[in-house]
Amino acid sequence: AQSVSQHNHHVILSEAASLELGCNYSYGGTVNLFWYVQYPGQHLQLLLKYFSGDPLVKGIKGFEAEFIKSKFSFNLRKPSVQWSDTAEYFCAVNAVPRGSQGNLIFGKGTKLSVKP
Amino acid sequence: EPEVTQTPSHQVTQMGQEVILRCVPISNHLYFYWYRQILGQKVEFLVSFYNNEISEKSEIFDDQFSVERPDGSNFTLKIRSTKLEDSAMYFCASRGQGLSTGELFFGEGSRLTVL
Repeated sequence: AQSVSQHNHHVILSEAASLELGCNYSYGGTVNLFWYVQYPGQHLQLLLKYFSGDPLVKGIKGFEAEFIKSKFSFNLRKPSVQWSDTAEYFCAVNAVPRGSQGNLIFGKGTKLSVKP
Repeated sequence: EPEVTQTPSHQVTQMGQEVILRCVPISNHLYFYWYRQILGQKVEFLVSFYNNEISEKSEIFDDQFSVERPDGSNFTLKIRSTKLEDSAMYFCASRGQGLSTGELFFGEGSRLTVL
């Protein structure tokens, strides 16, 4: 069965610190990869996505993620976080075997707290 | 920008009562989903819906749950007899054509509290 692992439950950083959130998935076939963000009291919003091509993808608000196929990883990075980045971050995988409707499988989420 | 809308934003109900959560997906989308997030836990897939029928469902989506697209715009999730453990945030999502796109657009969620 497909699964997504996010290793950090809660990360606390000071403003301007660099961020890296880990995400690993288990699935041997073709995947689409996503990072969603959930700001306090708001709905899930797409940060960035990878379908194919350049494994380094850039998203909104200065976030980027790198797909490393050999490691089944899709880690999220940001060189300098801001207080407004305080949110919960979810890694998600869309495994697309033939006939699938492409449901997203989510990781447990990583809560990021940025101290001003 | 088109968005997925959900109502109600918060519903409190007694155990054993029926609840209907409503969603209006983005108008030209064809795939519809319900997810839930129990407080402090991950977002879990419940069900996907395409071409007026369920295309996939998880173990969570038992006989107490049902989905319907009663007209051209609404997509509803019904819980027939709510249990305490059904308390969660329920997210509706929709997706456009093409399996390769994959991006789901989520609503703001409906918080269900079962007492």
